[in-house]
Amino acid sequence: QVQLQESGPGLVMPSGTLSLTCGVSGGSIISNNWWSWFRQSPGEGLDWIGEIHHSGRSAYNPSLKSRVSISLDKSKNQFFLNLNSVTAADTAMYYCASNGVGGHWFAPWGQGTLVTVSS
Amino acid sequence: QSALTQPRSVSGSPGQSVTISCTGTSSDVGRYNYVSWYKHPPGKAPKLMIFDVNQRPSGVPDRFSGSKSGNTASLTISGLQAEDEADYYCCSYASTSSYVFGTGTEVTVL
Repeated sequence: QVQLQESGPGLVMPSGTLSLTCGVSGGSIISNNWWSWFRQSPGEGLDWIGEIHHSGRSAYNPSLKSRVSISLDKSKNQFFLNLNSVTAADTAMYYCASNGVGGHWFAPWGQGTLVTVSS
Repeated sequence: QSALTQPRSVSGSPGQSVTISCTGTSSDVGRYNYVSWYKHPPGKAPKLMIFDVNQRPSGVPDRFSGSKSGNTASLTISGLQAEDEADYYCCSYASTSSYVFGTGTEVTVL
């Protein structure tokens, strides 16, 4: 059964770049079509950040498209999130998840990692 | 794109039924049969409960059901149990080739 685990710095400086890794275990990153990142700001709902196909194709939330990049490393069975020019508004719990094969849903999800943007 | 609209909270006694609405637009919920629902307990990972409007993943109790009419999707929990307490979010594929989530609903078992 596929499991996902987010990792990365818990504190990022304003105007810096937020970089997170999602490790995939129990299955190959190329066995599923798409992989996604999400976030939940304190007291807010979930937001979809973007997704990446194992071929390298990606798609992003229009509201974040200018600042976000998602990539993957097949050899390490990992995919990555980079969000630049961060502000306090980017403070959130960040989650990664597997997209449903051929579908528009997300399962399973990682446990999430909290990232705080502060000096 | 704006978040889908959900009631802030719903509640019910054990054994009762509750329904959570999820209202979008003709560019998301109304356009695609790609509505999914997630249970999100505090401090835990979200869990898929319904996909493609009314399909239940393996392992999800049949007490959970989904439907859609026009721009509004709904999740019904029948035979409410204490373990159902959590935040619930709807999600829809949108015409911008992206996904939009609902505002979230807190389910309380009285």
